[in-house]
Amino acid sequence: AQKITQTQPGMFVQEKEAVTLDCTYDTSDQSYGLFWYKQPSSGEMIFLIYQGSYDEQNATEGRYSLNFQKARKSANLVISASQLGDSAMYFCAMREEYNFNKFYFGSGTKLNVKP
Amino acid sequence: DADVTQTPRNRITKTGKRIMLECSQTKGHDRMYWYRQDPGLGLQLIYYSFDVKDINKGEISDGYSVSRQAQAKFSLSLESAIPNQTALYFCATSDTGDRGQDTQYFGPGTRLTVL
Repeated sequence: AQKITQTQPGMFVQEKEAVTLDCTYDTSDQSYGLFWYKQPSSGEMIFLIYQGSYDEQNATEGRYSLNFQKARKSANLVISASQLGDSAMYFCAMREEYNFNKFYFGSGTKLNVKP
Repeated sequence: DADVTQTPRNRITKTGKRIMLECSQTKGHDRMYWYRQDPGLGLQLIYYSFDVKDINKGEISDGYSVSRQAQAKFSLSLESAIPNQTALYFCATSDTGDRGQDTQYFGPGTRLTVL
C-alpha cells in the first residue's frame, strides 16, 4: 500500500488566493512526522513545514500551514495569498519513528499560480 | 555557501561506465541519504547512513553502492551504468533536531543521463 498519497497531479490557483494541497498517509505507528517540500523548476528540494504526530496544534510557517487531521490520516498543505513564485511541485513526506527513520514521499502536486 | 553540495550537477555517461556522485555537507549532521527521482514517482531511497560506520540499503539499492568517507561526505557509485538509471539524484542530510523531527535537507541534485 502507498504510504503517502497525493491525489492532485496538478492544480491552478489565482494569484493572492489560498490553495490547499491534499495529502493522506498510511501508518500503524503512533509516532511519526509529516513534512512538505517544494521543488521549483530549478530542481532543488526546499523544506517547508513539519508536523509531529503528537503535536496538538496545526503547524504554521509564514504563509504555509498544515491542516493535520489525525483520525482521517490527512496532512494537507494550505498556502495563503499565493504568489507567482509558489509555482512548483509540492511533495508530502512521512517519517515513521520505528521504521529506521526512513522517509516516504508522495508523487507530488504541480501547482501553477496564475497572474 | 550551500549546506549540502553535490558534484557533478550534470553528467552524461555511456552504458557500462562506472560513475561516482559525491555529496558533502557542512551542517554537521550524522545522517545522510541518497535518493533518485523519476518523473511522476516522487523520490525513492537508494541508501542511507546514520553515521560513518552505518550503511543501510533503501528501497532501490540494486546497481548502486555507497561509501561514507567521513561524517561530511557520502558518495554514490554506479558500478556499470545502465539507461534506466537516468534520473535526478539527491543527497540529503538530517539530525534528530530539538523536537525529534529529523527533517531532511537536500542538496541541489545531480542530473544523470546514461546513453
